[in-house]
Amino acid sequence: DAKTTQPTSMDCAEGRAANLPCNHSTISGNEYVYWYRQIHSQGPQYIIHGLKNNETNEMASLIITEDRKSSTLILPHATLRDTAVYYCIVRVAGAQKLVFGQGTRLTINP
Amino acid sequence: DVKVTQSSRYLVKRTGEKVFLECVQDMDHENMFWYRQDPGLGLRLIYFSYDVKMKEKGDIPEGYSVSREKKERFSLILESASTNQTSMYLCASRGGGDGQETQYFGPGTRLLVL
Repeated sequence: DAKTTQPTSMDCAEGRAANLPCNHSTISGNEYVYWYRQIHSQGPQYIIHGLKNNETNEMASLIITEDRKSSTLILPHATLRDTAVYYCIVRVAGAQKLVFGQGTRLTINP
Repeated sequence: DVKVTQSSRYLVKRTGEKVFLECVQDMDHENMFWYRQDPGLGLRLIYFSYDVKMKEKGDIPEGYSVSREKKERFSLILESASTNQTSMYLCASRGGGDGQETQYFGPGTRLLVL
C-alpha cells in the first residue's frame, strides 16, 4: 500500500469548513483513497472513499487531484463533535488489512 | 447501518489468565478482523477470517488465537495473558467483492493485564 503524509495537527473554528490534506504521491492506479476518523477511546469510523472522482456523502466531501497524488477531506460545517484524529489510507482493492499512519489531530474550537 | 459490537469496552485480567474477546457483526460480512492499537505503533493486524472456520495470521499473531464458528461472530483468544498484551483491541468486518471493500470497526475493548 502506498504511503501517505498528513499534517500532525490542525485547528478549525466551529461552523467553518475543515479541509484536511493528504499526500499520496506513490499511489498506483488500482489503489483507493479511504478516510477514517477516530474519536478518543473509540473505534475508527469510516468517513468516505474514492478512486479518482470526487465523492460526497452525508459526512464529508473527498476531493482527489487529477494526478491522484493528493486529496483533501472537507467537513463542510465543523462541529465540536468532529474533534478527532483523521486518517488517510490508500489501499489496493481486495487487500485484507488497512494500514493506518499517524493521522491528523483535528481540533474544532468554539 | 453496519453494526459491529464487541463484548466489553473495558477489561482487567491477571497475567496467565485465558481471555476471550468477542465480536459480532450484523451485515452478513464474509471478512472479519482483529487489530490491536498501541500509542506510536498504529493499528496492527492480529488475525483475520474470510469465511466460517477459516482464519489467516496477520502481522502479530503470536500469543493469540481466533475462532469463527458462525459467520457473524469472530472471537480473539489470549491463551495466557501477559502484560505486553495490554492494549486497545479493535474488531472490524468487511463484505466481499466489488463495492464491499469498506472495513467497519467496533467500539474497541481496552484490555489491561496486571
